[in-house]
Amino acid sequence: QAVLTQPPSASGTPGQTVIISCFGSSSNIGSNTVNWYQQFPGRAPKLLIYADHLRASGVPDRFSGSKSATSASLAITGLQSEDEAAYYCAAWDDNLKGLFGGGTKLTVL
Amino acid sequence: EVQLVESGGGFVQPGGSLRLSCAVSEFTFTDYWMAWVRQAPGKGLEWVANINQGGIEQHYVGSVEGRFTISRDNAKNLLYLQMNSLRVEDTAVYYCARGSVVWDSWGQGTLVTVSS
Repeated sequence: QAVLTQPPSASGTPGQTVIISCFGSSSNIGSNTVNWYQQFPGRAPKLLIYADHLRASGVPDRFSGSKSATSASLAITGLQSEDEAAYYCAAWDDNLKGLFGGGTKLTVL
Repeated sequence: EVQLVESGGGFVQPGGSLRLSCAVSEFTFTDYWMAWVRQAPGKGLEWVANINQGGIEQHYVGSVEGRFTISRDNAKNLLYLQMNSLRVEDTAVYYCARGSVVWDSWGQGTLVTVSS
């Protein structure tokens, strides 16, 4: 069971805004930055957001990240069919361990 | 373009060993921490280990400590993961990734299957 908690699924229709949450604790999200990854089936993960809110190179500005206390969120605005993928939050822990959320599978209806 | 190419995966019986390799190119290997991340079939991502630029500092997820060893050969631009005492639950696609906390480039992965 992942230390960082994400909803297993999310959905939206094209053009909508979807928000994916990630809950942690004071020893991980509360004291370290959060990164978000996108993964398509059968493919390697791709960095989307790092340092809580910075977009990786080439990532559309429809994707944004935020953090408050021990939780973080990934927002996708103007949802598109090609956004259908799994999304993972990740953070470092004060015990020098890397942590991932369990992943959220996004469906575009 | 940054490239990371894993190799060495395969089928092994419980208790066996495998060594994974990750060949990197198109970036200065010695500038970066490196990591291994795995994904069991149909499951989420799990960080396994990382190593600093000089190979001196390593960290591991608890479930592999004492069984897996991450190392690197900076002269050959190679990252390794020596996996001993393999368990069925180690079955996964293993990815190498560039970075310590932010993994900005990933390989395509290599499948390790542990089964009797």
